Amino acid sequence: GAVVSQHPSRVICKSGTSVKIECRSLDFQATTMFWYRQFPKQSLMLMATSNEGSKATYEQGVEKDKFLINHASLTLSTLTVTSAHPEDSSFYICSASWAYYLEAFFGQGTRLTVV
Amino acid sequence: AQTVTQSQPEMSVQEAETVTLSCTYDTSESDYYLFWYKQPPSRQMILVIRQEAYKQQNATENRFSVNFQKAAKSFSLKISDSQLGDAAMYFCAYEGANFGNEKLTFGTGTRLTIIP
Repeated sequence: GAVVSQHPSRVICKSGTSVKIECRSLDFQATTMFWYRQFPKQSLMLMATSNEGSKATYEQGVEKDKFLINHASLTLSTLTVTSAHPEDSSFYICSASWAYYLEAFFGQGTRLTVV
Repeated sequence: AQTVTQSQPEMSVQEAETVTLSCTYDTSESDYYLFWYKQPPSRQMILVIRQEAYKQQNATENRFSVNFQKAAKSFSLKISDSQLGDAAMYFCAYEGANFGNEKLTFGTGTRLTIIP
């Protein structure tokens, strides 16, 4: 299957700072990328959908000014958590899909800890 | 909006035995896709099996098979000859087939334990 690489796998940042998470499709062009958040022992909750070259579509309740998503190319999407707070600590997962695939491919996830 | 329900938070099975995980969903769409994903302790999401709603035949992948009942909106996963490596969280997921609606809606998951 196709490979999606997410970086970093773990990050610790201080409260009030910003942190960027990258999601790359390594062997295909991802027309759409998705960002999920997963709290411990819970399911994946979709945060936003991004299409290359256009603004991301955020799910209800997700603060677009706090979670900035950029999908500047067909192989890279980034999620920036701005002015991070301890309650933003979570596991963030990206997935990428291409129009002709029936499935999305997931990155390895990023564990964010805000101290 | 679509919803996916997994009513079994935890399941356990003896190694080499068979276990069935339940999933129901609600949708007004006629065409869609259903998936079972596995999330081991590494937390990497791994696709186990998928089913296209327009196909009547149940999908099968080696030891994994589904029982897809479209009218009942039910999509259960059967794991045969359970192995220790099958221990993981299993998520049922729904995806709309219409262009622009490819996002996945996940159930709450079932934690599967394999008893040696």
